[in-house]
Amino acid sequence: DIQMTQSPSSLSSSVRDRVTITCQASQDISNSLNWYQQKVGRAPKLLIYDASNLEAGVPSRFSGSGSGADFNLTISSLQPEDIATYYCQQYDNLPITFGQGTRLEIK
Amino acid sequence: QVQLVQSGAEVKKPGASVKVSCKASGYTFTTFGVSWVRQAPGQGLEWMGWIRTHNANINIKKKFQGRVSLTTDTSTTTAYMELRSLTSDDTAVYFCARWDLGYNWFDPWGQGTLLIVSS
Repeated sequence: DIQMTQSPSSLSSSVRDRVTITCQASQDISNSLNWYQQKVGRAPKLLIYDASNLEAGVPSRFSGSGSGADFNLTISSLQPEDIATYYCQQYDNLPITFGQGTRLEIK
Repeated sequence: QVQLVQSGAEVKKPGASVKVSCKASGYTFTTFGVSWVRQAPGQGLEWMGWIRTHNANINIKKKFQGRVSLTTDTSTTTAYMELRSLTSDDTAVYFCARWDLGYNWFDPWGQGTLLIVSS
């Protein structure tokens, strides 16, 4: 199985800060990576697909980058409503696997 | 709007089975698949498997093979996940999600179904 490792596991930043979450795959997965946001008590929501494509309706402060084994999710200006846990997901090989999650808090 | 609505919470005893439903609306059911993901309390997301709704072709994660059945009823645009031989380790929230067959993204997700396995 492809292992997905996110860092950091948790992060505390201030409103309007630039925030970057990284996701590393245990092997080359090309661009086969999606990002999700999960707020407490809610279902996950798709943010980014195919590593860098912004899902319709997602604020433009979110962006994704990377290819191969190293990927980033960036929030250009953190907002209070961005408090959530973020997950990466690879789909290059079955089984589908997710990162362990990055919990984002506001200072 | 596109929506997936799941059946309600369940409490089961060890060794029992559970069947969770996922009613889809707002899109053509057979042009997307349905994926199932679970989340144990305080834990991350675990993919269980998926089903192509146009031909019922399925892929199930190895650890669940033999215990999970995925089915759909296209006449009611409903997907089902049955999990058998339950143990306390199966206590989790179970999500269905619309699955894009190209980019393999999951969106939207159902609201989740809490399963508690306890004697």
